[in-house]
Amino acid sequence: DAKTTQPPSMDCAEGRAANLPCNHSTISGNEYVYWYRQIHSQGPQYIIHGLKNNETNEMASLIITEDRKSSTLILPHATLRDTAVYYCIVRPSSRDDKIIFGKGTRLHILP
Amino acid sequence: DAGVTQSPTHLIKTRGQQVTLRCSPKSGHDTVSWYQQALGQGPQFIFQYYEEEERQRGNFPDRFSGHQFPNYSSELNVNALLLGDSALYLCASSLGDTISYNEQFFGPGTRLTVL
Repeated sequence: DAKTTQPPSMDCAEGRAANLPCNHSTISGNEYVYWYRQIHSQGPQYIIHGLKNNETNEMASLIITEDRKSSTLILPHATLRDTAVYYCIVRPSSRDDKIIFGKGTRLHILP
Repeated sequence: DAGVTQSPTHLIKTRGQQVTLRCSPKSGHDTVSWYQQALGQGPQFIFQYYEEEERQRGNFPDRFSGHQFPNYSSELNVNALLLGDSALYLCASSLGDTISYNEQFFGPGTRLTVL
């Protein structure tokens, strides 16, 4: 079973920041938080990951709470092309463990 | 760089038949994972290959098998197809043994329909 809980869907106005929450209350000390997204009819796309510090790249920012039990993915200026299903995943960084996807959050960007 | 490629893009089979799906990883990647994605669901992990061996396996029956070749490409085989095997089959590649392992790159998938 997935170790994360996400809202099934969210709306965000185009040009505004989209804040996608994720709960992972059972996260272990060696597990990272990863975010992927899947645009309709495409394979999932890696967005960002972090352990305990906040992270930022050209696509998004990841805010992880101090107790690491939850996180928020921020898309600073959402566009229509950001409409997708967003998956939050927790797992160790080594390859000796399988990735478990939940159902994700379906993000609708409204014009 | 072509990224992860999969073939065929679409496939229609009948119950009881066998199917083989193919995946070529991103250049330089040595680890391949396969996922099944039913309509409206997240991808479900089937198995992972590196060094030409199955390393991890999800909760899938033995009808699902795979292979990895010396050039790191991989095949997914499904025997005795059931209607419930209809899904999008995704291949993901990554570079093993590094912190970037989980930055998996996914292919576009193969849409399998079982009639």
